[in-house]
Amino acid sequence: IVLTQSPGTLSLSPGERATLSCRASQTVTSNFLAWYQLKAGQAPRLLIYGASSRATGTPDRFSGSGSGTDFTLTISRLEPEDFAVYYCQQFGSSPPYSFGGGTKVEI
Amino acid sequence: EVRLVESGGGLVQPGGSLRLSCVGSGFTFSNYWMCWLRLTPGKGLEWVANINTDASETSYLDSVKGRFSIFRDNTENSLYLQMDSLRAEDTALYFCARDPYIKAFQDWGQGTLVTVSS
Repeated sequence: IVLTQSPGTLSLSPGERATLSCRASQTVTSNFLAWYQLKAGQAPRLLIYGASSRATGTPDRFSGSGSGTDFTLTISRLEPEDFAVYYCQQFGSSPPYSFGGGTKVEI
Repeated sequence: EVRLVESGGGLVQPGGSLRLSCVGSGFTFSNYWMCWLRLTPGKGLEWVANINTDASETSYLDSVKGRFSIFRDNTENSLYLQMDSLRAEDTALYFCARDPYIKAFQDWGQGTLVTVSS
């Protein structure tokens, strides 16, 4: 499954709403779609799994939605620490468990 | 607290070999599938390989099949990635990670850098 994320870069200000898209080339099994945040020098951080479930410690300003082939990560009000790169990833019935190309959220 | 610590990265010439290690703590290592992933500037995040709890089942990214081998030692709470016939395109920051049965990689190590260059 190929995951296409858009836009490649999102330029926003703190306090604004961010909407990130992830489109799959075929249906994602059981909506096993996850979102990760990546900052330089840090390990990736799981934010959302199962398309819409927040991982432990994920602030409620982050929400995931979608099903089938179209998924969205929304950050309701950007905090300074949210400026990072975000990846979606599908966990289908068999490997490879592909990632999207990433969306950079910049100030 | 779940902790994963990778080691073994370094600079290696094309065609060379490296073995990466990952030690897990804070959870019952033998109960979980484990995997290796990598991060490159060009391709972003990429799943590389995974292994089931008793090492009877492994899977690999097509581009590393036949060159990389994932294995584990549950008595040592350790995961390994043997990388042979390394290529420049294998240059990346390699992570080990755990899926606690939620179909996502919840726990990650800090990574170990592999550079393939002459």
